[in-house]
Amino acid sequence: AQSVTQLDSHVSVSEGTPVLLRCNYSSSYSPSLFWYVQHPNKGLQLLLKYTSAATLVKGINGFEAEFKKSETSFHLTKPSAHMSDAAEYFCVVSDNSGGGADGLTFGKGTHLIIQP
Amino acid sequence: DGGITQSPKYLFRKEGQNVTLSCEQNLNHDAMYWYRQDPGQGLRLIYYSQIVNDFQKGDIAEGYSVSREKKESFPLTVTSAQKNPTAFYLCASSIVTGPNTEAFFGQGTRLTVV
Repeated sequence: AQSVTQLDSHVSVSEGTPVLLRCNYSSSYSPSLFWYVQHPNKGLQLLLKYTSAATLVKGINGFEAEFKKSETSFHLTKPSAHMSDAAEYFCVVSDNSGGGADGLTFGKGTHLIIQP
Repeated sequence: DGGITQSPKYLFRKEGQNVTLSCEQNLNHDAMYWYRQDPGQGLRLIYYSQIVNDFQKGDIAEGYSVSREKKESFPLTVTSAQKNPTAFYLCASSIVTGPNTEAFFGQGTRLTVV
């Protein structure tokens, strides 16, 4: 069994300040982890993914995430927020028990608000 | 451009009606998926298909049906048996084999019961 917990349902930061979106997971297997972003009434876009290579993963739009096995965490960060970063962010875990994305488990999402 | 196309973007349904949501992909992916998204709930898997003419129930299949007659297409029918169909529906696709499989998403269809 696997699960993912996004620790904050809403995060508000000022433009130009750092962003931290927190995610903890549990998995019986060696997991893969993903962060997706969703703008209003749009589909999900992959930001980055961890696949057991480097523990610090760089993604698009200046985002990065660090896999910490001892803490079972995969927090998403960005050094300087931009107004266009305002969106919903989903942390996703895959148990890699088989092929296909049917093994994905989604967190409930964190709504990122950027204050001007 | 390769991608996933969902239509329509907005759909209104009267109580007791069946409606069909379209999903087409030109990524040459074998696997396709339907998710339902409700506010504050994340995404929940309705149905998925890893090969043409075969599909499997996900976590919340009741009141929904699908078909997979072509590799490119995976339409979802929301039947009158679905008691609370108002939601945002997302179609996705992926390669079918191997770990670290990520999903590619369409732009979604917002279904409202009137």
